[in-house]
Amino acid sequence: DGGITQSPKYLFRKEGQNVTLSCEQNLNHDAMYWYRQDPGQGLRLIYYSQIVNDFQKGDIAEGYSVSREKKESFPLTVTSAQKNPTAFYLCASSAGKSGTSNFFGPGTRLTVL
Amino acid sequence: GESVGLHLPTLSVQEGDNSIINCAYSNSASDYFIWYKQESGKGPQFIIDIRSNMDKRQGQRVTVLLNKTVKHLSLQIAATQPGDSAVYFCAETTGFSGSARQLTFGSGTQLTVLP
Repeated sequence: DGGITQSPKYLFRKEGQNVTLSCEQNLNHDAMYWYRQDPGQGLRLIYYSQIVNDFQKGDIAEGYSVSREKKESFPLTVTSAQKNPTAFYLCASSAGKSGTSNFFGPGTRLTVL
Repeated sequence: GESVGLHLPTLSVQEGDNSIINCAYSNSASDYFIWYKQESGKGPQFIIDIRSNMDKRQGQRVTVLLNKTVKHLSLQIAATQPGDSAVYFCAETTGFSGSARQLTFGSGTQLTVLP
């Protein structure tokens, strides 16, 4: 079955540590996205990528970094510079202008201890 | 600034009744709208979409209505079931950056189906 996988489902981090969230898709989608969701709120765009080796900042990119070395993979690193990293992180992908809406993964819940 | 918002943060309906979830948008350039359903601890799930050249679109038990005059979007769920309990988000897009679709999300409405 095609889809998006995110790992791990739950992640705990000590303050001052960097942590990388995994996102893999087998939908052959060109574009991939990372969103952050805080309790009772909507989704905010962190970074997006249109194509391999390309990525653009979203609305809340500070304290985060990404890479897109393969079409299937778009890992997100939450750095120690992110002041309030505890949140639910969602990865998504889309097929481009002729494709359907953004398709989401199951999410990773990050908690900073 | 441009934004997508929801009129009601919570909605409770009796099982079997119809549900209507509303959404207001302010960006008149938005040309594509999506409704997502999100269950607790899970990623958003696509429900239905509509393009700005349409007023109505129907799916299985769901209908989306778009009123561009007043910049209003609604999701109607027929014969609401317990499994429909979730948070519902509307999202709008004004287009693409290359192949990437830029979406702006509302804050969501919690739908609770009562037995």
